[in-house]
Amino acid sequence: AQTVTQSQPEMSVQEAETVTLSCTYDTSENNYYLFWYKQPPSRQMILVIRQEAYKQQNATENRFSVNFQKAAKSFSLKISDSQLGDTAMYFCAFTASGTYKYIFGTGTRLKVLA
Amino acid sequence: DAMVIQNPRYQVTQFGKPVTLSCSQTLNHNVMYWYQQKSSQAPKLLFHYYDKDFNNEADTPDNFQSRRPNTSFCFLDIRSPGLGDAAMYLCATKDRGNEKLFFGSGTQLSVL
Repeated sequence: AQTVTQSQPEMSVQEAETVTLSCTYDTSENNYYLFWYKQPPSRQMILVIRQEAYKQQNATENRFSVNFQKAAKSFSLKISDSQLGDTAMYFCAFTASGTYKYIFGTGTRLKVLA
Repeated sequence: DAMVIQNPRYQVTQFGKPVTLSCSQTLNHNVMYWYQQKSSQAPKLLFHYYDKDFNNEADTPDNFQSRRPNTSFCFLDIRSPGLGDAAMYLCATKDRGNEKLFFGSGTQLSVL
């Protein structure tokens, strides 16, 4: 069975600084996708970034980038130049290719301080 | 804008009184999901539909049922809510061939 673990329940960062959120996962699948979702206080969850396991290059989306270490089953999210609007819960998620089931971690509550 | 809409935003029900939560989508996605999210916990998948095919998670209580009368709408029925069913219920959709999930804003259910 697949599992997703986020070991940092809460984190804080000063505005304009960089922060890294950790995620590890376990799977025996070879083809899969990993995601970071953001859930602001308004509660609608939105996709931040995604990574296909077959791609070696780390995904980037503007200030957001990932460090994908397939052998170590690690998938961390780096937020550069943190902004107050980045304050939210961040969930790491996994889905195996060809399935419809998404497994979420327990989330990291990130607070950006002014 | 195309989106996933959940109504109501907040729902209060009494212990044991049936309640229905609704989700609609304008994205024409063929997969729809219901997740239960309790405070400080990961969203937990209850069930999903692939078109009209219903897929129940093994640990979803029998108290929870779902209906999808057409592509656009999906309902979550809780037949006899208990105090432990108080949670945020999230609806999500996915299109065939695209791994991105689209979420609604959720319905916060309180059980008195």
